[in-house]
Amino acid sequence: DSGVTQTPKHLITATGQRVTLRCSPRSGDLSVYWYQQSLDQGLQFLIQYYNGEERAKGNILERFSAQQFPDLHSELNLSSLELGDSALYFCASSPRGSSYEQYFGPGTRLTVT
Amino acid sequence: GESVGLHLPTLSVQEGDNSIINCAYSNSASDYFIWYKQESGKGPQFIIDIRSNMDKRQGQRVTVLLNKTVKHLSLQIAATQPGDSAVYFCAETRGGKLIFGQGTELSVKP
Repeated sequence: DSGVTQTPKHLITATGQRVTLRCSPRSGDLSVYWYQQSLDQGLQFLIQYYNGEERAKGNILERFSAQQFPDLHSELNLSSLELGDSALYFCASSPRGSSYEQYFGPGTRLTVT
Repeated sequence: GESVGLHLPTLSVQEGDNSIINCAYSNSASDYFIWYKQESGKGPQFIIDIRSNMDKRQGQRVTVLLNKTVKHLSLQIAATQPGDSAVYFCAETRGGKLIFGQGTELSVKP
């Protein structure tokens, strides 16, 4: 158990809908990272927050947004969902601002029908 | 459990043998190279890292080798065990981000 929690574990929704994925980092970790893992793209970095502020951005679509709250939990919002958004979404945390030693949660499997 | 389902390179080894998983990287400017392990139904787990100015680093039962001349990274697992069965990803740091490779699926035969 990495100490990172993600909810929900599974999510099934229809095209055009909006969903929110939630992540709680390890106790004391200030950085939260979001990744998308799909069949054709592998594990792709989406965005990083450090202590409430956006720190780095990857291949995140404009339909996607994220935020980190004062209690350090984070949410990833996915809107106008398309079939191609079906994937595993992972959250990871680390204690420092930019760390390659990241602790991953169990993921949220999103299925868009 | 759930699997990633990617068409990944696969490596099948006998329990007790040594495993070597290879990875090619593209960015000569990366500071660190890292190996992650992802078991079925779980998130990736950090295994070991190596700084770009090193050639070799050893951990517990694992060794990472870095050949900057040919931009090649390898992970050696000694005395492979059934619990080592997983997808292994190499990753490199780039602009503060982790860039993951496609992964290799290791299967350990009892």
